[in-house]
Amino acid sequence: AQKITQTQPGMFVQEKEAVTLDCTYDTSDQSYGLFWYKQPSSGEMIFLIYQGSYDEQNATEGRYSLNFQKARKSANLVISASQLGDSAMYFCAMREGIQGAQKLVFGQGTRLTINP
Amino acid sequence: DGGITQSPKYLFRKEGQNVTLSCEQNLNHDAMYWYRQDPGQGLRLIYYSQIVNDFQKGDIAEGYSVSREKKESFPLTVTSAQKNPTAFYLCASSSIGTSPVNEQFFGPGTRLTVL
Repeated sequence: AQKITQTQPGMFVQEKEAVTLDCTYDTSDQSYGLFWYKQPSSGEMIFLIYQGSYDEQNATEGRYSLNFQKARKSANLVISASQLGDSAMYFCAMREGIQGAQKLVFGQGTRLTINP
Repeated sequence: DGGITQSPKYLFRKEGQNVTLSCEQNLNHDAMYWYRQDPGQGLRLIYYSQIVNDFQKGDIAEGYSVSREKKESFPLTVTSAQKNPTAFYLCASSSIGTSPVNEQFFGPGTRLTVL
């Protein structure tokens, strides 16, 4: 069965510093996708970044990048130049297969707090 | 603006009652999903649907039911058989296409409390 592990329940970072949120996964599939979502206190989930299992380059989206290490089964999210608005819960999720309707499995999440 | 709406935002239920949570999307997405989130936890998939009049169970479908009579709508009923229904419920939708990403877009959620 698929499993996502986020080992950091909480992280505290000074504004403008970079932060890395850890995510490890377990799957026997060769084709899969990895997602990161942000959940502010309002509760809505916001998609941040995606990495496919066959992507050779690490994904980047603005200040977000994904450090994908396939052999170690890790997909860490890196946020550069953190801002106060980055304070939120962050979830790593995995999807079986590449296309079609998604059955996503989520990790427990990491609560990120940015200090001024 | 395109998006997903969920209603109500807060819902209170007495034990033994069935309640229905609404989810509507105007993104023209084929797939829709329901998740449950307990405090301090990640999301768990309840049901999902890839096409009208078809849906599949997720990991925690017991005590829940859904329907998909229209592409835009995917209501979730929490039945009295659900032993611990107090939670935050999130609806999502996504495309099913050739793009490998097809990320899910989420609604604002419904917080259900059983009294």
